Amino acid sequence: VQLQESGPGLVRPSETLSLTCNVSGDSVKSAFNYWSWIRQSPTKGLEWIGYIFYTGTTNYNPSLKSRVTISVDPSKNQFSLKLSSVTAADTAVYYCARVAARLQYYLDSWGQGTLVSVSS
Amino acid sequence: DIQMTQSPLSLSASIGDRVTITCRASQHINSYLNWYQQKPGKAPRLLIYEASTLQSGVPSRFSGSGSGTDFTLTLSSLQPEDFATYYCQQSDRTPWTFGQGTKVEIK
Repeated sequence: VQLQESGPGLVRPSETLSLTCNVSGDSVKSAFNYWSWIRQSPTKGLEWIGYIFYTGTTNYNPSLKSRVTISVDPSKNQFSLKLSSVTAADTAVYYCARVAARLQYYLDSWGQGTLVSVSS
Repeated sequence: DIQMTQSPLSLSASIGDRVTITCRASQHINSYLNWYQQKPGKAPRLLIYEASTLQSGVPSRFSGSGSGTDFTLTLSSLQPEDFATYYCQQSDRTPWTFGQGTKVEIK
């Protein structure tokens, strides 16, 4: 399986960050996987943003829940992240990842990551 | 949120050394603990899940143990390609959280 993030590398403060993760080698409609976004910054380290199941069921980090939307498009085999009202604190490398849902959950495949900077 | 605390945060070791990294959870998380390796400029890579199960393709020199709140990642004989940062992550309950990372450097 391969995952590839895409989207703008620069976002203005107060605007909405939008990223897409294209999945190949697996289907986002898999009954055994969820699809997740994680970000990494020097100040916060690795931070889980949320995940989605192909049915549209989502689970978000409460610290970001009011600003986050994760959606899935099975017809394009991709899923997306929107983060609204961004500030400099949202500057990070954003990763998409596949979540293996077995007895427990683990992030078994990751995209290469994309750096998003928030600046005017 | 469940806090994950790793120690040490960095260590220096030589090729062939045995290396142990610990991870402590602020609450009981059963065996729902995963370990990742990250090299500079790369995404994290899953090494171990469910505290002790080796991910496919990961060398057997990596091993994990523990349950409850205390966990360990062990590298039995450090190889040149093992110099990296290692993270633990709990998936017992959301929000999933990561440790701060342990950087393994060459002595």
